[in-house]
Amino acid sequence: AQSVAQPEDQVNVAEGNPLTVKCTYSVSGNPYLFWYVQYPNRGLQFLLKYITGDNLVKGSYGFEAEFNKSQTSFHLKKPSALVSDSALYFCAVRDTQAGTALIFGKGTTLSVSS
Amino acid sequence: NAGVTQTPKFRILKIGQSMTLQCAQDMNHNYMYWYRQDPGMGLKLIYYSVGAGITDKGEVPNGYNVSRSTTEDFPLRLELAAPSQTSVYFCASTKGGSNYEQYFGPGTRLTVT
Repeated sequence: AQSVAQPEDQVNVAEGNPLTVKCTYSVSGNPYLFWYVQYPNRGLQFLLKYITGDNLVKGSYGFEAEFNKSQTSFHLKKPSALVSDSALYFCAVRDTQAGTALIFGKGTTLSVSS
Repeated sequence: NAGVTQTPKFRILKIGQSMTLQCAQDMNHNYMYWYRQDPGMGLKLIYYSVGAGITDKGEVPNGYNVSRSTTEDFPLRLELAAPSQTSVYFCASTKGGSNYEQYFGPGTRLTVT
């Protein structure tokens, strides 16, 4: 079965420090991977995606993600966190059986302190 | 270009009532989706559509129905509302092909009491 796991419910980091939000996946075939961010009482916003090519993907707001096929991981990273990065982050993988719908992880709350 | 719009933003239903959540997109996207978001559970797919006149069930379709008479609109119908349907509902769309990025609406927060 296809699935996405985000092992951390919450990640706390100080402003200016690097951040990592972890994601692992299980799919058959080549994975199409995504990160979305959700601010309070808002819809989800696309951050970045990995379809093919370079394992390091750059996205919006200075975020990047590293695809690691051997570890089946797609961790989200940012070199220097901002307080405004505080939000709920979702990792997702394309569902190969449901019309390109997404299978989401449970989400990780990122809290950046000043 | 409004993107994906959803109405209403909030709604309180009594058990057994029915309602329709509206979703529209103006990006000429072929694919549309309904997800529900429950705390600590991520988003679960309710129904999806790959084009006008074509719909299919997702992971959690029980208690819901959809229709897709036009490319733009994808309403979600709740019949006989139950407390288990208390959730935040998101509509999303994507063009399809090699572009899998989904665009999400702002959501509808539904409470069934």
